[in-house]
Amino acid sequence: RKEVEQDPGPFNVPEGATVAFNCTYSNSASQSFFWYRQDCRKEPKLLMSVYSSGNEDGRFTAQLNRASQYISLLIRDSKLSDSATYLCVVNHRDDKIIFGKGTRLHILP
Amino acid sequence: GAVVSQHPSWVICKSGTSVKIECRSLDFQATTMFWYRQFPKQSLMLMATSNEGSKATYEQGVEKDKFLINHASLTLSTLTVTSAHPEDSSFYICSARAQGKDGYEQYFGPGTRLTVT
Repeated sequence: RKEVEQDPGPFNVPEGATVAFNCTYSNSASQSFFWYRQDCRKEPKLLMSVYSSGNEDGRFTAQLNRASQYISLLIRDSKLSDSATYLCVVNHRDDKIIFGKGTRLHILP
Repeated sequence: GAVVSQHPSWVICKSGTSVKIECRSLDFQATTMFWYRQFPKQSLMLMATSNEGSKATYEQGVEKDKFLINHASLTLSTLTVTSAHPEDSSFYICSARAQGKDGYEQYFGPGTRLTVT
C-alpha cells in the first residue's frame, strides 16, 4: 500500500457544484496533515492544515478520520479558479513529509 | 504566510555543465529546508533534507555527489546539479519549514525549471 494515496482524477465539475475528495495514508503514526493546491507549472501552495476536529475556511472544509486513516477536502460553490491539482500531504513523527500524487480538478463553466 | 524565494526561476544549460539553484526564506529563519524534484504530471519527490550547519540527508536513489546541497545560513540553501544531463531536466522546488499554528508548516519556493540540452 502506498504511503499516501489519492484518486488522480480528473474530476470535472460544473461551476457552483460541491466536490469532495479523499486521501488515505498508511502510517498510523502520522502526525499532521495538510492540503496543498498546485496550479500548472507552479509551486504547491498551502491551502489548509487539517485538524483532528476538522476545520473550515470559507468554501473549503477539511476533515481527518484517524480511525480509518483518511483525510478529506470538500469544496462548496466551486469557482472556475478552483481548477488545480490538490495535493494531500502527510507529516510523519520524524518530520518526513509525504506527498500524494494529487487529484486534478477541472471546474467547468 | 511565510515567503520563500528561488533563483533562478528557469535555466537552460548544456550537458556536462553545473547549475546552482538558490533557495531563500525571506521573512523567517529556516533551520530545515527541503529540495524536491517534479517531473511532468508527477508528484513532488523529496530529494534531500537540508539542515543548517550540517550535511544534508539524501533520499534513497538520489546521488549526493551529483546534487550538492549547502545550507550555510538560516535563510539560504543551495542545490548544485553537477555535470547535468538531459535526464536531469525537471522542475526543482525547495521548501522551508516554519512554525505554524499547529506545528510546522511547509512553504514552497516558486520553483526552478531546469532544461539540459
